[in-house]
Amino acid sequence: AQSVTQLDSHVSVSEGTPVLLRCNYSSSYSPSLFWYVQHPNKGLQLLLKYTSAATLVKGINGFEAEFKKSETSFHLTKPSAHMSDAAEYFCAYNNDMRFGAGTRLTVKP
Amino acid sequence: SQTIHQWPATLVQPVGSPLSLECTVEGTSNPNLYWYRQAAGRGLQLLFYSVGIGQISSEVPQNLSASRPQDRQFILSSKKLLLSDSGFYLCAWSVRAAYGYTFGSGTRLTVV
Repeated sequence: AQSVTQLDSHVSVSEGTPVLLRCNYSSSYSPSLFWYVQHPNKGLQLLLKYTSAATLVKGINGFEAEFKKSETSFHLTKPSAHMSDAAEYFCAYNNDMRFGAGTRLTVKP
Repeated sequence: SQTIHQWPATLVQPVGSPLSLECTVEGTSNPNLYWYRQAAGRGLQLLFYSVGIGQISSEVPQNLSASRPQDRQFILSSKKLLLSDSGFYLCAWSVRAAYGYTFGSGTRLTVV
């Protein structure tokens, strides 16, 4: 079965330090993968998506993710965290219509 | 441009009362439509999806139902709410799942 697994339920970083949110996928073929962000009591917003073009995908708000087929990973990164990045982040797999369990990002001042 | 509207934003309902949540999409035709539920501190659970008028697929058998009376309208309903129906309900649309989803702002439902 195809799926995505978010390896961390909670990540805490200090403002100005790098962010790494991990997502592994399981698929028998090359998938489309997405990262979404959800601020409290809001809907989800698409950050970026991978659709078999460039393996390094740049998204909004300075986030990017790299598709690594050999590692079946699609980790989300940002060089320098900002307080406004504190939110819940979801990795998703294309035609599955399902999302990972989410990673809550906390940013400390 | 495409927009998605979902209302109400918050709702408090007694156990046993009916429910109707509405979602409408503007600026596109024949969208795929989805209802998700997010329990407190949990991930997203797909409840229903629809690829066309009158076409509803249910992912989880439960106390809820969905209908799509018009191309860009998706309604989530219940005849009698349970306490376990409390949660954050999200509507979403897509042209194709491979393109990603656009979400509404959500409805916070509290059943008391």
